[in-house]
Amino acid sequence: EVQLVESGGGLVQPGRSLRLSCVASGFTFDDFAIHWVRQVPGKGLEWVSHISWNSANIGYADSVKGRFTISRDNAKNSLYLQMNSLTAEDTAFYYCAKDRRAAAGTDNVFDYWGRGTLVTVSS
Amino acid sequence: QSVLTQPPSVSAAPGQKVTISCSGGSSIIGNNYVSWYQHVPGTAPKLLIYDNSKRPSGIPDRFSGSKSGTSATLDITGLQTGDEADYYCGTWDNRLSAGRWVFGGGTKLTV
Repeated sequence: EVQLVESGGGLVQPGRSLRLSCVASGFTFDDFAIHWVRQVPGKGLEWVSHISWNSANIGYADSVKGRFTISRDNAKNSLYLQMNSLTAEDTAFYYCAKDRRAAAGTDNVFDYWGRGTLVTVSS
Repeated sequence: QSVLTQPPSVSAAPGQKVTISCSGGSSIIGNNYVSWYQHVPGTAPKLLIYDNSKRPSGIPDRFSGSKSGTSATLDITGLQTGDEADYYCGTWDNRLSAGRWVFGGGTKLTV
């Protein structure tokens, strides 16, 4: 059974940093690209970032570019999101989602998702 | 403001059919595959439809998708109370050089 479990969320002050983790199981982790997607409570989904199977191909939404860094450790079946210079607009549930492909492309599909971790940015 | 436009809400009685639309420009939906996701708040989103009309294993055939021009549609027949959820369409937006994934604003289904 494919499982993705996010952790690392919590309450953080504006301007501070937070690191999210996602541990995967039930599939060959290093065969697939992985994404971060977020959802402001009560709002829609917003794609945040993706990383290819070998970390060679990485992309970010404009809203987080320069502040967030995605990375993965295939030996640990883990995905990370380092979030710096956080603002209130970053308050959201953050989901990791497995792609059906090894790298980003026009036919990417998020075929499995985690349950998310809540990040609240507030003073 | 989402790049993809969905109705905020739809409703229908159990056993009935509902249609959820997703519209976008020709350079978005028109050129790329659309996928659909079901999300019950507090749970993991679930892939319902990919490549416009394909169902993953385990998704009942009550759920079907289609695409025509710059719009996509998710049909749900034989509605059940368990279908109450938020539904999102998604696709690749390659209008910018780097490309990005985009989702619709979501449609809340009430059964």
